[in-house]
Amino acid sequence: AQSVTQLGSHVSVSEGALVLLRCNYSSSVPPYLFWYVQYPNQGLQLLLKYTSAATLVKGINGFEAEFKKSETSFHLTKPSAHMSDAAEYFCATGGSYIPTFGRGTSLIVHP
Amino acid sequence: DGGITQSPKYLFRKEGQNVTLSCEQNLNHDAMYWYRQDPGQGLRLIYYSQIVNDFQKGDIAEGYSVSREKKESFPLTVTSAQKNPTAFYLCASSSSSGVGSYEQYFGPGTRLTVT
Repeated sequence: AQSVTQLGSHVSVSEGALVLLRCNYSSSVPPYLFWYVQYPNQGLQLLLKYTSAATLVKGINGFEAEFKKSETSFHLTKPSAHMSDAAEYFCATGGSYIPTFGRGTSLIVHP
Repeated sequence: DGGITQSPKYLFRKEGQNVTLSCEQNLNHDAMYWYRQDPGQGLRLIYYSQIVNDFQKGDIAEGYSVSREKKESFPLTVTSAQKNPTAFYLCASSSSSGVGSYEQYFGPGTRLTVT
């Protein structure tokens, strides 16, 4: 069965610091991976997606993620956190009707 | 603009009453989904539909029902049999044409409170 594991239910950073949100996937996962962002009391929106065209994927709001097959990872990064980045982030699989979502990581940004 | 609409944003009901949550999309997507979100539990799939007049149970379908009479619409009914219906409900859709990534597009959500 497919699985996606997000390490850390909460990540806290200072404004201006590096953001690193971790996601590992099972080796049976199809070659599509996503990061979604959810702001409080809103739906999820696509941040970026990996579709095997390039291992380094750039998304909206300055986020990017690198697909590393050898580590079965798809970690999300942003060089400098902004207060507006505070939200819930979900890693997920794609490539089939039923995606598998990680449990989510809440990003907290301190001034 | 294409997208998914859910109404209402907030819904309050008394225990024992059925309630229907609306979901409409104009993205021309074949597949539609309902998720339930509780604090700290991520997204849990309730029902999904790959095509009109067909739908399948997800992981937590007990106490819920759906219909898919039109491509654009996928309403969810929370019945009185659902033991703990208070939650945030999200509707989503995805394109199923050919070999694709099946990325999901989400509505804004409905927060249901049952007392």
